[in-house]
Amino acid sequence: DAGVIQSPRHEVTEMGQEVTLRCKPISGHNSLFWYRQTMMRGLELLIYFNNNVPIDDSGMPEDRFSAKMPNASFSTLKIQPSEPRDSAVYFCASSPTSGGTDTQYFGPGTRLTVL
Amino acid sequence: RKEVEQDPGPFNVPEGATVAFNCTYSNSASQSFFWYRQDCRKEPKLLMSVYSSGNEDGRFTAQLNRASQYISLLIRDSKLSDSATYLCVVNMGFGKSTFGDGTTLTVKP
Repeated sequence: DAGVIQSPRHEVTEMGQEVTLRCKPISGHNSLFWYRQTMMRGLELLIYFNNNVPIDDSGMPEDRFSAKMPNASFSTLKIQPSEPRDSAVYFCASSPTSGGTDTQYFGPGTRLTVL
Repeated sequence: RKEVEQDPGPFNVPEGATVAFNCTYSNSASQSFFWYRQDCRKEPKLLMSVYSSGNEDGRFTAQLNRASQYISLLIRDSKLSDSATYLCVVNMGFGKSTFGDGTTLTVKP
C-alpha cells in the first residue's frame, strides 16, 4: 500500500490567501485525522472523521479553518484567509478502526508557510 | 496541567547505554496508549503499543501503570539510529488522541 498521501508537501503563501491541503488515507481505513505541529504547541489534533463523517472538530482553531471528507479516499483542510500564525506542519493520519484507538498511520505532512 | 506530560529531555547518551522515558496522563478513562517515534522533519511513526502487562520488542520495553497513570519506555543497548523524538500518545476513544510534547534522544558514539 502507498500509505497516507498528502499534497502539497510544501506550500508558501501570503497572508489572506486561501490554502487547501489534501489527503488520501490508506484504503479501507475508517478513521481520518488532521493534526497541526508547531514547536510551541507540539502536535495538536484538529479534527477527526469516522466513515467520512466529522465526529470531533473541537480542535479546529477558528472559523477560518474547515475540513471536508466527501468520500472514503479523500479529505481536505482549508484555511481561508490564512495568517502567519497558521505556519506549521499539517499531518493527515488514518486508522483502520473507528475511534482511533488503534495505530494511526501518518502522511508525510504539508509544511505551510504564511508570509 | 497538560493531559499528557513527558520528561522534558533532551537525553544525550552514549552508544550501548540504557535509557528510560516516562509519561504521565491525567484522564483515568483513557483507553489505549502508544509510543511513537518522530525523526527530524518526518512524520510520527508507531514504535509500539503499550499494555498493562508490559510488552517488549527487541531492545524496547513499554509498560503501563494504570493505577499511577504513567507509561514508560525503556531502550536497552542504545544505537546511533535510536536518535529521534519519542512521543507518548494517549487515546480516549471517539478519536480523541493526545500527544505528549515529546522527548528528544541523542545517542552519541
